[in-house]
Amino acid sequence: DAGITQSPRYKITETGRQVTLMCHQTWSHSYMFWYRQDLGHGLRLIYYSAAADITDKGEVPDGYVVSRSKTENFPLTLESATRSQTSVYFCASLGQGVSAGELFFGEGSRLTVL
Amino acid sequence: DAKTTQPPSMDCAEGRAANLPCNHSTISGNEYVYWYRQIHSQGPQYIIHGLKNNETNEMASLIITEDRKSSTLILPHATLRDTAVYYCIVSGTYKYIFGTGTRLKVLA
Repeated sequence: DAGITQSPRYKITETGRQVTLMCHQTWSHSYMFWYRQDLGHGLRLIYYSAAADITDKGEVPDGYVVSRSKTENFPLTLESATRSQTSVYFCASLGQGVSAGELFFGEGSRLTVL
Repeated sequence: DAKTTQPPSMDCAEGRAANLPCNHSTISGNEYVYWYRQIHSQGPQYIIHGLKNNETNEMASLIITEDRKSSTLILPHATLRDTAVYYCIVSGTYKYIFGTGTRLKVLA
């Protein structure tokens, strides 16, 4: 199916564990983004990527690692999860052509760190 | 990227126009104004964007002042399904920063 998908949708982990959230898009969009949204708050940009092997920090990158070996995938890794990283994580890709300027979001990954 | 200021919340009667303001007084010449909305805990949904001219699509209209320091998103006939958090974003790069948005409640 065309679109942007995130996995897992729900994850519970413990402090100190490594967690990877996956994001996959089928449009071959160049730009991809990771945001986090804490309960009752707006979205904050963690990292973004302009193309394969090109990534850049957003507003709140500390504690996160990203990679982009293929255009369609943009995984987000929490190397040592902390309770403050409990949040909903949204992945997005940026439209091109007639959809230029439009961010397409995934359904979100709800992460709980105990 | 320029910072935006939006009222935290607004109410609108169903069937009436909802006018959501956004202040972006530090906007620079190459920065666009984007509007998104988020319904419940879903991923944000694109609504509209513009540079300096007013824009209209099937969802909404975007009015940008001549000096570009503020804009208004207009939902012409609000319905209960328009209840959401609306985000105004200004960006001239590919770094899209969401603020806290305006929580719009459409009342029956």
